Order: sequence, then C-alpha cells, then structure tokens
Amino acid sequence: QVQLVQSGAEVKKPGASVKVSCKTSGYTFTNYYLHWVRQTSGQGLEWMGTIDPRGGVTKYAQEFQGRVTMTRDTSTSTVYMELSSLRSEDTALYFCATQTSPYCTDGVCFPDYWGQGTLVTVSS
Amino acid sequence: DIQMTQSPSTLSASVGDRVTITCRASQSVSSWLAWYQQKPGKAPKLLIYDANSLEGGVPSRFSGSGSGTDFSLTISGLQPDDFATYYCQQYRIYPLTFGGGTKVEIK
Repeated sequence: QVQLVQSGAEVKKPGASVKVSCKTSGYTFTNYYLHWVRQTSGQGLEWMGTIDPRGGVTKYAQEFQGRVTMTRDTSTSTVYMELSSLRSEDTALYFCATQTSPYCTDGVCFPDYWGQGTLVTVSS
Repeated sequence: DIQMTQSPSTLSASVGDRVTITCRASQSVSSWLAWYQQKPGKAPKLLIYDANSLEGGVPSRFSGSGSGTDFSLTISGLQPDDFATYYCQQYRIYPLTFGGGTKVEIK
C-alpha cells in the first residue's frame, strides 16, 4: 500500500536551514506528484509547493519562492524539502503528500496520501 | 490566489445530529474542490473530491455538494469518530489553497 514516511523532528535556530525527507513506497515513485503542506500551531493548512518526480520540475507558492527547494532521489523514492532563512513563524508541522488519483494529470490536484508530519521548531 | 472561506469556524453538535459545513471560494473553482478531515497531531484524511465524489472507504454519511463558488459538506448522523476539524481545498489553479477549517466539537 502507499506509504509516505517522513524524517524526525528538528530544532533550528533563526537564520538556519532545515531539510525534511519523505520516503515513499507502495507505488511507482515517478507516476505521481508530491506536495508539501505545512500547518502552524492552531492554524490551518498552507500549501508550499509540488514536485514532479519524473523530471524534478517544481512549482512553489509565491510566499516561499527563494527560500524553499524541493528535490527528489529516484533511486530511493524519496523527496526532500529544504527551507532556508528560518524564522520563528516557520515553526510548524510539515507534511508531504502525494496524489494518486487517475484524474490528476498535473500537480493541480488533491493529495490523497499523506506522511505523518515532521515538526520543525525554530527557536533561539 | 483563490481564497477559501469556511463557516462556521466551530460547530457544537451531538451524536446523531446532521451537520453542514460551508466553503466559499473567492472565484469560481468549478467542481475542483476536496474536503478533508483532520484529528489533532494527525495528517488530513481525504473525504470528498470533485465536490461530491466520496473517496473509497469513507462512510456514506459524508456527502458533498456545490459548484462554482459555494460548497457544503454534510455529515448525516454524526458519530463519535467524526469529532474533528474539516478543511476544504480548491484545485482549480495554483497555488492550491485551503479553507481555514471548521472544528466539530461535542455539545
């Protein structure tokens, strides 16, 4: 079955970078886009961007342009999200999610399988 | 960006109640709308896609309706496991955007 397993919690200082991994299994990695969505404490869900694992093409939300980088490793079926210049407002639970519906032809779709989330805490 | 507005933000209900949550888009998203359920500390779970299509394995007491800018999620006969927060999400265009959430709590 489809599984997404994320790396463990991180604590970072302001100005640092964090790199979160998302290892996938149970499906053909290059078939489906991967998204990153974050959730700040007590707040809603915020889409950060998506990556097409076939060619590594990315699409980022404007808010994160210049600070986020999404990459993939096809040999291990893993995607990565790196966020730089961290500030306290980036403290959040970060999720990876994939979209496996046959109706999804690009990244503009609905994620249906999610990782367990990775808590990133930014504190001096 | 398309803004998604949910109401109410909190809803108090009892087991067995019929509850309806609404979601309004700032511009038409046609039927490109999904609904998710989320419990504290857990990932969202897909309930509905294409505004009214039930995801496999989701109980039939959940239903979605609407198109264009106005949508609703209805739970017919609230069960103890349904107390959670619900989010709508549009996938008409980038960036994907979510509503602010509706928390369904026990009355």
